[in-house]
Amino acid sequence: DAGVIQSPRHEVTEMGQEVTLRCKPISGHNSLFWYRQTMMRGLELLIYFNNNVPIDDSGMPEDRFSAKMPNASFSTLKIQPSEPRDSAVYFCASSGYMGSGEQFFGPGTRLTVL
Amino acid sequence: AQSVTQLDSQVPVFEEAPVELRCNYSSSVSVYLFWYVQYPNQGLQLLLKYLSGSTLVKGINGFEAEFNKSQTSFHLRKPSVHISDTAEYFCAVSGNTGGFKTIFGAGTRLFVKA
Repeated sequence: DAGVIQSPRHEVTEMGQEVTLRCKPISGHNSLFWYRQTMMRGLELLIYFNNNVPIDDSGMPEDRFSAKMPNASFSTLKIQPSEPRDSAVYFCASSGYMGSGEQFFGPGTRLTVL
Repeated sequence: AQSVTQLDSQVPVFEEAPVELRCNYSSSVSVYLFWYVQYPNQGLQLLLKYLSGSTLVKGINGFEAEFNKSQTSFHLRKPSVHISDTAEYFCAVSGNTGGFKTIFGAGTRLFVKA
């Protein structure tokens, strides 16, 4: 298996632009997680899905952020409009078992908002 | 609510010396405990996990951790570190509360010096 796939790996955009991050989880995994990592705030869970249904989005910082999982093999995290404080590394992870299962992380998308 | 505290933000150590990275957790229910490692510019990967059974858990790369329920700790140890162990290490906890959400600690940066 190729592991969790994220695209793009790097994104540089200007403030106010829409940004879409993409994730393909490991086939057969039924849980998907979006995290954000910064030096100041560490690793933050933004939202997670189980069987394509959002379970907890309490970590989504504000309405500018939205996430979807239209099917078991694809998820997007969208920021509209983007702001410089959104600059971070965004990770997607998937798991075969909620709670007790290992989470497999993708390589991350490094987002820079100018 | 569950929480994780990693007591050291940075741990410098000489090559071939032993190391212990400390982790304490709080939870009102039975927990699952994890240690993940993050090498520069990569996503997190699992080192080891405790689900049940023996309190001494062995993981990859010679690491081990001991679950201590009375002290609510899950410290990570390695008897002899290598330069290649330089990375950030995250302790994490999940359990049958909050939808099995996994909570990550702030991370401990391990520096192995020659």
